[in-house]
Amino acid sequence: NAGVTQTPKFQVLKTGQSMTLQCAQDMNHEYMSWYRQDPGMGLRLIHYSVGAGITDQGEVPNGYNVSRSTTEDFPLRLLSAAPSQTSVYFCASRARGSNTEAFFGQGTRLTVV
Amino acid sequence: AQSVTQPDIHITVSEGASLELRCNYSYGATPYLFWYVQSPGQGLQLLLKYFSGDTLVQGIKGFEAEFKRSQSSFNLRKPSVHWSDAAEYFCAVGPRSGTYKYIFGTGTRLKVLA
Repeated sequence: NAGVTQTPKFQVLKTGQSMTLQCAQDMNHEYMSWYRQDPGMGLRLIHYSVGAGITDQGEVPNGYNVSRSTTEDFPLRLLSAAPSQTSVYFCASRARGSNTEAFFGQGTRLTVV
Repeated sequence: AQSVTQPDIHITVSEGASLELRCNYSYGATPYLFWYVQSPGQGLQLLLKYFSGDTLVQGIKGFEAEFKRSQSSFNLRKPSVHWSDAAEYFCAVGPRSGTYKYIFGTGTRLKVLA
């Protein structure tokens, strides 16, 4: 049982480049989300989804797009990377309901130069 | 505004000493409460959670936390710290209904001295 899988683990981009961070879960969880982790700021919610075809913005959505075509996958797209997007990105999933545990991927460390 | 405060950015304890990590929250109603641990280069792992009932909850790795409604606190404790407990610890709150959004604290980094 792989849980939540994120790829790649590390990525360096040049300013203005685009890329997609992949996230897949095999637990049939309906809820998925993306966070960014920056020193001294904890985890901030970027986008989230409560099911296939349903997405919504979190606390820091600007510069990121998401889609959810299947239950398993929730990719995060950076359309035009900026140095301010240098961060560690975590994908998480959990089952439907307010009292369910979130499972996190191992993270993607992104550097934009 | 909803928020989670972890007032200690760094804590250093000696191996075998007791540990308490503080967490205070500001929320409209009593939320669900969580503690997660992040080892270097890893994702977050759930240590324990509080939903209802007994306000002292037990978690994995010998950790426990106590919910105090009057203080809006959910402090994490361990009687005797092991060197492998060195990590970053995050307190989080989640709504009992409505939106999906969890709020995380800024984390406390624990260093353990041999």
